[in-house]
Amino acid sequence: QVQLMQSGAEVKKPGASVKVSCKAFGYTFTSYYMHWVRQAPGQGLEWMGVIYTAGGSTSYAQKFQDRVTMTRDTSTSTLYMVLSSLRSSDTAVYYCARAEESGSSYPFDFWGQGTLVTVSS
Amino acid sequence: QSVLTQPPSASGTPGQRVTISCSGSNSNIGNNYVHWYQQFPGTAPKLLIYRNNQRPSGVPDRFSGSKSGTTASLAISGLRSEDEAEYYCAAWDDTLTGPWVFGGGTKVSVL
Repeated sequence: QVQLMQSGAEVKKPGASVKVSCKAFGYTFTSYYMHWVRQAPGQGLEWMGVIYTAGGSTSYAQKFQDRVTMTRDTSTSTLYMVLSSLRSSDTAVYYCARAEESGSSYPFDFWGQGTLVTVSS
Repeated sequence: QSVLTQPPSASGTPGQRVTISCSGSNSNIGNNYVHWYQQFPGTAPKLLIYRNNQRPSGVPDRFSGSKSGTTASLAISGLRSEDEAEYYCAAWDDTLTGPWVFGGGTKVSVL
């Protein structure tokens, strides 16, 4: 069955970078777009960006444009999200989520379990 | 401040019908589909309703969605204790630099 398995929790200092991975199982990896969504403690959901797993093209929310990089490794069906110049406000659970296509019609139909990133000095 | 506006909470007794609203604008809800997600504490969101009113396989028909103009609604009929969760609406926005936007979430409590 479809599974998105994310890497474990991270603790980082302000100014550092974090790399979160998301390994896909149970479907054809390159047939779906993959999004990253984050959720600060006690807060709502925030879209960060998307990667087209087949071609590798990306689109990022303007808020994260200068600090986020999303990549994928098709040989291992794994996605990576690097967020740099971390600040305390980046403390959140980061989710990868799958969508059949890019656009209004295509919701996030499967989600990873989430990775808690804590930014603290 | 979320782009889509949801009430922070809603509640009902077992068996009642509860409705959650999600208000937006022409650039998001007015011109695009709305999707709903259910989230239990400490777990990832799960797709509950897609394309305004479609249920994924396995979602009980107690859950229904609708949309009119720039407002969408999620209804839970025959409320059950296991429905106690946070519910989020989401939509594509044509103008923002997102483009995906979410509501702030509604906590449904079963009294």
